[in-house]
Amino acid sequence: GAVVSQHPSWVICKSGTSVKIECRSLDFQATTMFWYRQFPKQSLMLMATSNEGSKATYEQGVEKDKFLINHASLTLSTLTVTSAHPEDSSFYICSASQGTGNNQPQHFGDGTRLSIL
Amino acid sequence: GDSVTQMEGPVTLSEEAFLTINCTYTATGYPSLFWYVQYPGEGLQLLLKATKADDKGSNKGFEATYRKETTSFHLEKGSVQVSDSAVYFCALSVDTGGFKTIFGAGTRLFVKA
Repeated sequence: GAVVSQHPSWVICKSGTSVKIECRSLDFQATTMFWYRQFPKQSLMLMATSNEGSKATYEQGVEKDKFLINHASLTLSTLTVTSAHPEDSSFYICSASQGTGNNQPQHFGDGTRLSIL
Repeated sequence: GDSVTQMEGPVTLSEEAFLTINCTYTATGYPSLFWYVQYPGEGLQLLLKATKADDKGSNKGFEATYRKETTSFHLEKGSVQVSDSAVYFCALSVDTGGFKTIFGAGTRLFVKA
């Protein structure tokens, strides 16, 4: 149980394109979803916390107009990278939690590798 | 602020060797502690967790004990296998009104046959 599906797994697109990444919890309701960015051989950097039906909470230094997050239902959150540029190329990972307590583990998607040409 | 420090890798071991990956943390409040593993080409998955002092999390032969007095959560396995080759992340989760998880930098483990 507790499966999170992230789509697409790999995107290559031209500079200036907007890219949408979907994160779905398949067999549970996720009250909270998280979006991370992972640079090569580095740890996960939290970009934003997304709660269903409310605005996402962005971490310091993350441009909210650049990285649009929508959490329209308890099973779906989307990250849209608007007007993507080569520096936005990275590995983006979502995770979801079933509960709100800090003792709940996160369940991760397999990530989306974004390459901007 | 809250943070997690884990030993730098890569760690290279022979099959059946003993593994220790050190992890220490700083946190306000009372965090829950986790180890996640990322196998090549895959996303992260929970390996084990502990939610209070002296709890021992264990899974797949790995174990870690929540040590409040030393603010540590070291990961150990008595006999590693080639299939354990992966990146291991120590993490803590704190209550921020919702909650937030903070990850260590990750330790890459290579196990040779």
